[in-house]
Amino acid sequence: GEQVEQRPPHLSVREGDSAFIICTYTDSATAYFYWYKQEPGAGLQLLMSVFSNVDRKEEQGLTVLLNKKDKQLSLNLTAAHPGDSAVYFCAAYTGGNNKLTFGQGTVLSVIP
Amino acid sequence: GPKVLQIPSHQIIDMGQMVTLNCDPVSNHLYFYWYKQILGQQMEFLVNFYNGKVMEKSKLFKDQFSVERPDGSYFTLKIQPTALEDSAVYFCASSLKGDEQYFGPGTRLTVL
Repeated sequence: GEQVEQRPPHLSVREGDSAFIICTYTDSATAYFYWYKQEPGAGLQLLMSVFSNVDRKEEQGLTVLLNKKDKQLSLNLTAAHPGDSAVYFCAAYTGGNNKLTFGQGTVLSVIP
Repeated sequence: GPKVLQIPSHQIIDMGQMVTLNCDPVSNHLYFYWYKQILGQQMEFLVNFYNGKVMEKSKLFKDQFSVERPDGSYFTLKIQPTALEDSAVYFCASSLKGDEQYFGPGTRLTVL
């Protein structure tokens, strides 16, 4: 089945800098990709969804790139601020079994 | 965005007891999920549920686990009997079409 590897596990950036997280997946039939944000004690907040026919998507300071050749999905937060500090998860949805396969998560700390 | 509620937020029980975790999904959603997250680890799929039936379950969904959604009310996860290794945060999710999933805040289960 699908496997998703996410890195880095921890990331610390200064306020105003960019934060870059990358996921590598295995199943080329993956139809949708997602980025979620999890703040302490809270559930997962859906940040962005990307269909597999999209190479790049930008929304509200977030840029998602999908490289299907290398099976990589990335998230770039431009101009990070302390409110962005959280755990970020990528997830892949194949469609055949209606489940999400998650990456291991990245703990992002934005230092003022 | 759409809200998924979970009750209770915390539950502490003795090993061997039964526990029921409740999820109030988004009202028009048709697909329901449970995921398990052990502290500091990635989210792992347990089960998905559609049209009154379990569609798929993972190896983590032991025989002691069951799910139901009687009469369109709460979507529940019951564990009977509980074991120490069941201690985790359990997240419910719901989806309209099976792809974009919205998560609740989780129930932290502690088995003593």
